[in-house]
Amino acid sequence: ETGVTQTPRHLVMGMTNKKSLKCEQHLGHNAMYWYKQSAKKPLELMFVYSLEERVENNSVPSRFSPECPNSSHLFLHLHTLQPEDSALYLCASSQETGDQAFFGQGTRLTVV
Amino acid sequence: GQQLNQSPQSMFIQEGEDVSMNCTSSSIFNTWLWYKQDPGEGPVLLIALYKAGELTSNGRLTAQFGITRKDSFLNISASIPSDVGIYFCAGRIRNTGNQFYFGTGTSLTVIP
Repeated sequence: ETGVTQTPRHLVMGMTNKKSLKCEQHLGHNAMYWYKQSAKKPLELMFVYSLEERVENNSVPSRFSPECPNSSHLFLHLHTLQPEDSALYLCASSQETGDQAFFGQGTRLTVV
Repeated sequence: GQQLNQSPQSMFIQEGEDVSMNCTSSSIFNTWLWYKQDPGEGPVLLIALYKAGELTSNGRLTAQFGITRKDSFLNISASIPSDVGIYFCAGRIRNTGNQFYFGTGTSLTVIP
């Protein structure tokens, strides 16, 4: 069982759809993150949660809505996305915020 | 956000050759991390560095925290085909919170 698990691995959605990405960590960590990875660009930090409370939101459009019901689960709710939102979305966790992060395998999102 | 300049962008080498890559910034970092990402997967942590001048090895990989605190280096000795992937550096800036900033990656191809 991997430490950080993301589902689905691949997602194709239309611009009017609503979908959710799920992340689960089995490492007992207190911090969880969402990153966006686009081609030829550095990983972009989107959201940070510490003990289920959002501690950072890096100017992400409201069409991305995170949810952290407990320290082991993290969701990213998607609504009315644009084609430029197509990317690999990576979830990560760390013992505390600022510690080295362990990544999931990512969800490859394509918006059509 | 902070910019990490990672070089080279890509490398094509023969199996058995040694590899060197680096990451530089204009800011002072207190932590450097090196990750490897295989196609279709999330980044996997290779080495973490916490002190200026620190030299740490992980098998055939060796990384160093530059003494100026503004750079880090990763070396791979005697490359093998499974070293193929994208290598990312990540750094945390001293006294500015807990966010890690990522480089754009070095794509490594090993020719058997």
